[in-house]
Amino acid sequence: KNEVEQSPQNLTAQEGEFITINCSYSVGISALHWLQQHPGGGIVSLFMLSSGKKKHGRLIATINIQEKHSSLHITASHPRDSAVYICAVISNFGNEKLTFGTGTRLTIIP
Amino acid sequence: EAQVTQNPRYLITVTGKKLTVTCSQNMNHEYMSWYRQDPGLGLRQIYYSMNVEVTDKGDVPEGYKVSRKEKRNFPLILESPSPNQTSLYFCASSDLQQWGSTDTQYFGPGTRLTVL
Repeated sequence: KNEVEQSPQNLTAQEGEFITINCSYSVGISALHWLQQHPGGGIVSLFMLSSGKKKHGRLIATINIQEKHSSLHITASHPRDSAVYICAVISNFGNEKLTFGTGTRLTIIP
Repeated sequence: EAQVTQNPRYLITVTGKKLTVTCSQNMNHEYMSWYRQDPGLGLRQIYYSMNVEVTDKGDVPEGYKVSRKEKRNFPLILESPSPNQTSLYFCASSDLQQWGSTDTQYFGPGTRLTVL
């Protein structure tokens, strides 16, 4: 079993829909990252969370440390949100190794 | 402009021919890291560095070497590349937070390596 599981693997939605991508992990962590990989391959960091909730524009990220679960929400989705979204965790074992989920491919149809 | 640069962006080489992929950041970040990305396997960490002269193995360090002699540079060395190292490689850097964990990571544009 992978340490980091994302769901769904693929998601297709209509423009304007509310999107939720989930990330579950099995180890204790010190922080969790959400990344966005554009169709051209470039990777951008969206959020770094260690507790609670963060919001940036139409993107909201939440984390529940007790349940070992994080969600990324996109409100009023737009075709330019089409990308692969990747969750990554840093374990709390005293090192800074990152372990990644395999990503969620999001396609927003106009 | 704050950025992480990698060179080369594309490289085709042959088995056994030593190569170096350079990574440089201009943000005075303490943390730097190398990742590889493969279809179906996603991103995996190769090596990371918390500061100058401090490096640690990630999940897939076999066949790779790194060095951190200066804060801004973190080259990835493949001393004897093999076809299973054909992959897309990303370098990243970040600040360290007060409690020592990495902050937002800034990624380089990627290096697509093919080993024949």
